Amino acid sequence: GENVEQHPSTLSVQEGDSAVIKCTYSDSASNYFPWYKQELGKRPQLIIDIRSNVGEKKDQRIAVTLNKTAKHFSLHITETQPEDSAVYFCAASLVGQFYFGTGTSLTVIP
Amino acid sequence: KAGVTQTPRYLIKTRGQQVTLSCSPISGHRSVSWYQQTPGQGLQFLFEYFSETQRNKGNFPGRFSGRQFSNSRSEMNVSTLELGDSALYLCASSSGLRGQGTEAFFGQGTRLTVV
Repeated sequence: GENVEQHPSTLSVQEGDSAVIKCTYSDSASNYFPWYKQELGKRPQLIIDIRSNVGEKKDQRIAVTLNKTAKHFSLHITETQPEDSAVYFCAASLVGQFYFGTGTSLTVIP
Repeated sequence: KAGVTQTPRYLIKTRGQQVTLSCSPISGHRSVSWYQQTPGQGLQFLFEYFSETQRNKGNFPGRFSGRQFSNSRSEMNVSTLELGDSALYLCASSSGLRGQGTEAFFGQGTRLTVV
């Protein structure tokens, strides 16, 4: 089955700096890669996603890149703000089953 | 459009008991997936139901089971509870259409504590 690895597990950045979280997956058939943000005590919320026929997608301060050949994808957050502090999960999906990474706890230091 | 609803929000059970959790997906969604979330273990996939059939299954013991009804609502059952089953149980709703990836939306979760 699919195996998703996520790094780093914790990340601290100064406010205004960029943050990058990386994930790798094992099943080349996976075709959908969402990213979720989970704030303390809340449910994971979808923040951005990318499909296998696209290499990059951007939404304001966040962007995701996908390298199908290398089977890795990354989340980029620019101009970080304290409200970006949360746990971020990447996932790989094919049909209905989502395999999640173990999460990255991001802390943005004011 | 109403979101994904899980009930109850909190549960306290004793070892050896069984528990049933409920998830009502977004209207029109036919896929419901269940996840166990514990500190340090991330989101562990339990199973996925699509159109009343279990379509995918994770690596959990047979004490964890589920079902889906014709209205797409899903229930998850855990029998013979163990202390290690204490966790946040999340369900996710998606259209689940074969051949394309689709967005999944999470419920608020059920916090299960086994004492």
